[in-house]
Amino acid sequence: DAGVIQSPRHEVTEMGQEVTLRCKPISGHNSLFWYRQTMMRGLELLIYFNNNVPIDDSGMPEDRFSAKMPNASFSTLKIQPSEPRDSAVYFCASSQTPGMGTGELFFGEGSRLTVL
Amino acid sequence: AQTVTQSQPEMSVQEAETVTLSCTYDTSESDYYLFWYKQPPSRQMILVIRQEAYKQQNATENRFSVNFQKAAKSFSLKISDSQLGDAAMYFCAMMLKAAGNKLTFGGGTRVLVKP
Repeated sequence: DAGVIQSPRHEVTEMGQEVTLRCKPISGHNSLFWYRQTMMRGLELLIYFNNNVPIDDSGMPEDRFSAKMPNASFSTLKIQPSEPRDSAVYFCASSQTPGMGTGELFFGEGSRLTVL
Repeated sequence: AQTVTQSQPEMSVQEAETVTLSCTYDTSESDYYLFWYKQPPSRQMILVIRQEAYKQQNATENRFSVNFQKAAKSFSLKISDSQLGDAAMYFCAMMLKAAGNKLTFGGGTRVLVKP
């Protein structure tokens, strides 16, 4: 299996621009997570989906952030408009259905976002 | 709310020696998993070891082992025979089975390996 695939790997943009991060989970995994990693706040859960349905979005910082999962093999995290404080590494992770398997989350390589 | 705390921002170890990383957690739940993830400079998050709360036996994966003290809510990681490739950030994490597969992470411990 190719693992969790994220794109882009790096993104540099200017304040006010729209940013879209993409994720393809491991085939057969029903849960998908978006995490943000910064020096100040560590790894924070932004949102997670189960069977393509958002279950918990309490970690989404504000309305500028939105996430979608139109099907089992694709998810996006969008920031509009972007701000310098959004600069971080954004990880996507997937796992089997809660209660099944080992509970392990498999992470993508992350998307490093820099907002100037 | 559940919390995970790693009190050591950085640990240094001589190659071939042993280092132990501390982790404490807090939850009122009784059924959960605990994990240690490794993040090398490539930033890929790699699972090192996992422990189920209802299992008393400490998990072991080759040179990595844990000391799980459920009553004390402690979950330390021991790296034996440290190798240069072990240099990375290590994150302790907890997953409550009743809360889906959400992981709550500690702040991380950076491990430096001296040749």
